[in-house]
Amino acid sequence: EIVMTQSPATLSVSPGERATLSCRASQSVSSNLAWYQQKPGQAPRLLIYGASTRATGIPARFSGSGSGTEFTLTISSLQSEDFAVYYCQQYNNWPPGFGGGTKVEIK
Amino acid sequence: EVQLLESGGGLVQPGGSLRLSCAASGFTFSSYAMSWVRQAPGKGLEWVSAISGSGGSTYYADSVKGRFTISRDNSKNTLYLQMNSLRAEDTAVYYCAKLPYYDSSGTGEFDYWGQGTLVTVSS
Repeated sequence: EIVMTQSPATLSVSPGERATLSCRASQSVSSNLAWYQQKPGQAPRLLIYGASTRATGIPARFSGSGSGTEFTLTISSLQSEDFAVYYCQQYNNWPPGFGGGTKVEIK
Repeated sequence: EVQLLESGGGLVQPGGSLRLSCAASGFTFSSYAMSWVRQAPGKGLEWVSAISGSGGSTYYADSVKGRFTISRDNSKNTLYLQMNSLRAEDTAVYYCAKLPYYDSSGTGEFDYWGQGTLVTVSS
């Protein structure tokens, strides 16, 4: 089973600043990596799939990069609605697995 | 607009059973694999089970294999999760989620999610 590790656990950022979130896989997942955003009391929302393709309706300030074992989610200029928990998920191998999440909080 | 609406959660004693339902609309239900993903209180996401568009292929996490059964009724656009022999560690919000494929071989990304239903296993 592939283990997904996200860092940091918490990221404190000021509105308008750039946020960079990392996700590492214990073995290669090719580009079969997704990112989700979850706000308190809400369901997760798909942001990125295929490591770098934005899902429908996702603003251009969200971008994903990486392949193999190292991946990055970048939010270019944080808006108030972006403060949330972000999860990565691999779907290259069964079972699909999620990272532990990164909480992006207001600095 | 894709909508997924879960129901059936509640409080159940250890060893008990519960059946969750997920009513789908806004897409051709039978053309897509579906899945259940859970989230324990204050914790991260855990994949539970998946089913192909026809219902002919099913997949389970080791933690629920032999206790949970996923199924679907394509005539009713509804996904189910029958949960038996429930344990305290099954306490979580259970989300149904759509995959963008007919049969994902048990894996894939989740492009739409329901709002979830809370299952609490406690005496």
